Amino acid sequence: EADIYQTPRYLVIGTGKKITLECSQTMGHDKMYWYQQDPGMELHLIHYSYGVNSTEKGDLSSESTVSRIRTEHFPLTLESARPSHTSQYLCASSPPTVIGTDTQYFGPGTRLTVL
Amino acid sequence: AQTVTQSQPEMSVQEAETVTLSCTYDTSESDYYLFWYKQPPSRQMILVIRQEAYKQQNATENRFSVNFQKAAKSFSLKISDSQLGDAAMYFCAHAGGTSYGKLTFGQGTILTVHP
Repeated sequence: EADIYQTPRYLVIGTGKKITLECSQTMGHDKMYWYQQDPGMELHLIHYSYGVNSTEKGDLSSESTVSRIRTEHFPLTLESARPSHTSQYLCASSPPTVIGTDTQYFGPGTRLTVL
Repeated sequence: AQTVTQSQPEMSVQEAETVTLSCTYDTSESDYYLFWYKQPPSRQMILVIRQEAYKQQNATENRFSVNFQKAAKSFSLKISDSQLGDAAMYFCAHAGGTSYGKLTFGQGTILTVHP
């Protein structure tokens, strides 16, 4: 399995709280991604980054924000959690390639429940 | 925009037998990549197999092989000699050559392996 980590693995929190989901990888990958996945459903890209100080919104609109200050770290923040944010959040990374695309390695995910 | 469709929400197979999971996709790009990912219950998503669209030869990885039909935009996964550890949700995914690694996922197929 790839060296990509997510914390916490499970989080139950009340409405209105600010939360940060952590994602770190030790592989030196330049590209990192955040996906949202409801139970038993497909993955939707919500944020991605091609390197330090680069962040873009994905195909699925999300109220979350991300930052990429260090290559290995790509945290996701929700300023005010709501029950509609309840989902699983998966982080992934992929190595630099001249081709433009490559295999993505996934973290274990964070299951977020907002009460 | 790319789309990926997995028309089989659930499949089952007897241990040691062969099963085929279906996937169709739509893309306007001439250069792209296709993937099958496996997501075991409560475990990390891992890559099963990858196919470059410019390669006519079907990819194989041990017991896993694909049937890539570019004209029909079909990309099925064949699992031979199924094992209990193959039980998981399987996702088909597409990355266009200009998408810089961003994946579009299908809805997923839950595979059950019966002993």
